[in-house]
Amino acid sequence: GENVEQHPSTLSVQEGDSAVIKCTYSDSASNYFPWYKQELGKRPQLIIDIRSNVGEKKDQRIAVTLNKTAKHFSLHITETQPEDSAVYFCAAMEGGADGLTFGKGTHLIIQP
Amino acid sequence: EAQVTQNPRYLITVTGKKLTVTCSQNMNHEYMSWYRQDPGLGLRQIYYSMNVEVTDKGDVPEGYKVSRKEKRNFPLILESPSPNQTSLYFCASSLSMRADNSPLHFGNGTRLTVT
Repeated sequence: GENVEQHPSTLSVQEGDSAVIKCTYSDSASNYFPWYKQELGKRPQLIIDIRSNVGEKKDQRIAVTLNKTAKHFSLHITETQPEDSAVYFCAAMEGGADGLTFGKGTHLIIQP
Repeated sequence: EAQVTQNPRYLITVTGKKLTVTCSQNMNHEYMSWYRQDPGLGLRQIYYSMNVEVTDKGDVPEGYKVSRKEKRNFPLILESPSPNQTSLYFCASSLSMRADNSPLHFGNGTRLTVT
């Protein structure tokens, strides 16, 4: 089955700086890579996703890049703001599979 | 409002006392799933269902049961809870896990403590 590794487990950045969270996956057949944000005490919510037929996707201050050859994908947040503080999870789904495999999460802390 | 509803939000119980956590979605989604979230381990899939009367094991199914008799409901059953099942549980649904623009929607979670 799929295995997803996520780094770092904790990331602290100054407000206004950029943050990058990286994930690697094991199954080359995986074709769907979403990112979820979970604020303290709340449910995970989808913030951006990418499919394997594209290399990059942007939505305002967030972007995701995918390198299929290296089997890794990254979340980029620019101009970070206090409300970006949360736990972020990456996930991967292999083609034909019936569920997402999640990374263990990154606690992003935005320092004022 | 489109949503996934879990009940209860908090539950404290004792070892061996059967319990059920309910999950209901009002979006006519085919796919439903249960996850548990533990510190440092992320979200791990317990069971999932592709459609009515179809259920399959996820990565950590031991000690759990599910049923999908109706499209909207997907209860999680712990026949004989043990302390290692103390966790935060999330139900989630999607129109279809294999379709574009069909994200996974999560419920608000159930925090279970087994003493």
